[in-house]
Amino acid sequence: DAGVIQSPRHEVTEMGQEVTLRCKPISGHNSLFWYRQTMMRGLELLIYFNNNVPIDDSGMPEDRFSAKMPNASFSTLKIQPSEPRDSAVYFCASGLRKNTEAFFGQGTRLTVV
Amino acid sequence: GENVEQHPSTLSVQEGDSAVIKCTYSDSASNYFPWYKQELGKGPQLIIDIRSNVGEKKDQRIAVTLNKTAKHFSLHITETQPEDSAVYFCAAENTDKLIFGTGTRLQVFP
Repeated sequence: DAGVIQSPRHEVTEMGQEVTLRCKPISGHNSLFWYRQTMMRGLELLIYFNNNVPIDDSGMPEDRFSAKMPNASFSTLKIQPSEPRDSAVYFCASGLRKNTEAFFGQGTRLTVV
Repeated sequence: GENVEQHPSTLSVQEGDSAVIKCTYSDSASNYFPWYKQELGKGPQLIIDIRSNVGEKKDQRIAVTLNKTAKHFSLHITETQPEDSAVYFCAAENTDKLIFGTGTRLQVFP
């Protein structure tokens, strides 16, 4: 398997624009996580899905953020409208079951100017 | 909810020396504690993990210890090498999600 695949790797956008980040989890994994990484706040869990269903979105910072998982092989994280403080590296991770390894993608570096 | 604290935030050691990173957690219900290594420009990768029914686990130069009573766990790297230089994160699993510590930047000088 190619691992967790995220796209794009880098995204530069202007404030106010919509941004969509994409993730393809490892085949067969039933948990999917979206994390945000910044120098100030470290790795923050935004939302996680189990069997394509959102289980906990308490980490989503604002209504500007939304995430979907229409099927077991694809998830999106959308920011609309984007703001400069959203600049960060966004990671997607997938896992097989509770108490086992979460596999991370390479991340998307988002810069909002 | 779970809160994970990690120390130190930076650690510099000479090649061949040992490095120790410590974490504490708040929720006694947590029972899975992985450690991740993150190299520049990459996502975190699991290097070792421990479950609550075990006090210590070792994998070559890396070992992890867990004290459930005190709610703390530690990563030990022996005979450090320059390629060990990276950011290391501890985590605790709580209600099916991983809560990460703030990370330790380890620098190993040749």
